[in-house]
Amino acid sequence: GIQVEQSPPDLILQEGANSTLRCNFSDSVNNLQWFHQNPWGQLINLFYIPSGTKQNGRLSATTVATERYSLLYISSSQTTDSGVYFCAVSPGSARQLTFGSGTQLTVLP
Amino acid sequence: DTAVSQTPKYLVTQMGNDKSIKCEQNLGHDTMYWYKQDSKKFLKIMFSYNNKELIINETVPNRFSPKSPDKAHLNLHINSLELGDSAVYFCASSITGGFSDTQYFGPGTRLTVL
Repeated sequence: GIQVEQSPPDLILQEGANSTLRCNFSDSVNNLQWFHQNPWGQLINLFYIPSGTKQNGRLSATTVATERYSLLYISSSQTTDSGVYFCAVSPGSARQLTFGSGTQLTVLP
Repeated sequence: DTAVSQTPKYLVTQMGNDKSIKCEQNLGHDTMYWYKQDSKKFLKIMFSYNNKELIINETVPNRFSPKSPDKAHLNLHINSLELGDSAVYFCASSITGGFSDTQYFGPGTRLTVL
């Protein structure tokens, strides 16, 4: 099956810093989503981005489908950004998402 | 006006018991999913239903049986619970042929088997 690798596995930032999270995948995809799992366990959709670039406030994401990677940018980080960020993909005609192992982000005040 | 809801949120039970988790979505989606998140936070697909029909059944023990009474509901029944079944179970939904294939997740059900 498709492999999804996320880096770094852990990231500690001071409030106000910027960060880039990376997601590499081993096959072409028809779906790529970024999620934030908050400390209460809720999985929150950040972006649906199988290709191209999107921005939402302090967050933006870019997927280069031909090179099989996606990047999530967090600018001016806040303590509420803490949690686990997951990249998830669906290959080919599949509907189910295959998740990466996540990036644990801790933003210190 | 919760989009994807699950009940119960927490479930604590003894080994060998049978339990069910319910999921409902009010987004008008036609595809629903069950995912399992283990203690290391790894998320994996278990089942997927499209218009009440099973379309994905990953390698899951037969003790797990999904049931979809209609497009808005997908329940998960687990027989003879084992310690290794302890996990967080997430329900999700999406729509076929829509503008995007975004999957929306419920709040999760934390199952603890003692």
